[in-house]
Amino acid sequence: EAGVTQSPTHLIKTRGQQATLRCSPISGHTSVYWYQQALGLGLQFLLWYDEGEERNRGNFPPRFSGRQFPNYSSELNVNALELEDSALYLCASSLAFDGQGASEKLFFGSGTQLSVL
Amino acid sequence: GNSVTQMEGPVTLSEEAFLTINCTYTATGYPSLFWYVQYPGEGLQLLLKATKADDKGSNKGFEATYRKETTSFHLEKGSVQVSDSAVYFCALYIGFQKLVFGTGTRLLVSP
Repeated sequence: EAGVTQSPTHLIKTRGQQATLRCSPISGHTSVYWYQQALGLGLQFLLWYDEGEERNRGNFPPRFSGRQFPNYSSELNVNALELEDSALYLCASSLAFDGQGASEKLFFGSGTQLSVL
Repeated sequence: GNSVTQMEGPVTLSEEAFLTINCTYTATGYPSLFWYVQYPGEGLQLLLKATKADDKGSNKGFEATYRKETTSFHLEKGSVQVSDSAVYFCALYIGFQKLVFGTGTRLLVSP
């Protein structure tokens, strides 16, 4: 069974550009999560999508946005890139949220390393 | 607010040594607690979890006990192997599918 796949593996952009990161969840998973792993910081929760809808959002500015497609894959878009956006962006997926319990069934991809020059 | 504090790494050990990675947390209410592991070149994987006070999570020889009185969830293993070399993340669940992670602790085990 294929795991969570992310593309590209590495992405180099310059300040002010836009970056698009992609994620394909595990087959059967309908929830997709995005996390930012900046150097020296823990993983910071960015976004949660479930059934095509944004369900929760972390403390990030609006230039971080995304969407989930009907096949449950997802894109993360970062506009007006800043140097501090350089980080590893991890995508995770899980089965549908059942309204209770902890999200311990998150499966993570290997990430996209975004470098902003 | 909700936060997780982990000991800074790297932690460098010889094979068969005893491992402790400290984790303390701040949270409102009674969160579930987790340890995730990230092997080189791979995504994070859930290692173990505990959902209430005094619960002990265990997996692959690793253990952690949810200590409400000290707000801690330290990770331990009696005898580490080279294959345990990885980055370990402590995390807490604060509801609505949101995990709060620590900064990660890199473990290096030498033969």
